[in-house]
Amino acid sequence: ILNVEQSPQSLHVQEGDSTNFTCSFPSSNFYALHWYRWETAKSPEALFVMTLNGDEKKKGRISATLNTKEGYSYLYIKGSQPEDSATYLCAPVVSNYGQNFVFGPGTRLSVLP
Amino acid sequence: DVKVTQSSRYLVKRTGEKVFLECVQDMDHENMFWYRQDPGLGLRLIYFSYDVKMKEKGDIPEGYSVSREKKERFSLILESASTNQTSMYLCASSFMGRRQETQYFGPGTRLLVL
Repeated sequence: ILNVEQSPQSLHVQEGDSTNFTCSFPSSNFYALHWYRWETAKSPEALFVMTLNGDEKKKGRISATLNTKEGYSYLYIKGSQPEDSATYLCAPVVSNYGQNFVFGPGTRLSVLP
Repeated sequence: DVKVTQSSRYLVKRTGEKVFLECVQDMDHENMFWYRQDPGLGLRLIYFSYDVKMKEKGDIPEGYSVSREKKERFSLILESASTNQTSMYLCASSFMGRRQETQYFGPGTRLLVL
């Protein structure tokens, strides 16, 4: 089974702080990487899908970068707000897993007002 | 908007009971998936289906079966529930095609087996 790591496991920040977390995955047979945000009592929501080395995606205050050669992606949140509190999941797609995602364990972010 | 619904948000069952978890999607997606999520672990794939009446085992299929009689509906069955199947179960769907197709998730069913 593909080993996908996310760090840190959990994070508490103050409102207004910027933060970032990491998703690490084996770089061989890479095809794409998905980021999801999962708020309590809601469905996981797709944030980004990234495919190319050096990709950078942005959605409001959230952005992500991708390094396929070394096997990592960073997710950045600028000026965190309480509504950003959620678990952030990454899921690489590798060619020998068909269309199946392999999810990391997630980073749980709490933004304190 | 894609909508994926699951039949129950919370479910309490007894050991040995047969449990059905239902998932319905309204976007004509070919692919459907069942995952479970446990603390400290990522979403783990139980079963998936690429088409009606087709099913494939995921990473942790033991103790589960599935049924896909209609394109929009994918059921997860626990033939004889056990306490180690207490978990959050999530259904997802996506279009067939490119490997980067986004999966769309339901809200989850939290199952407690006593």
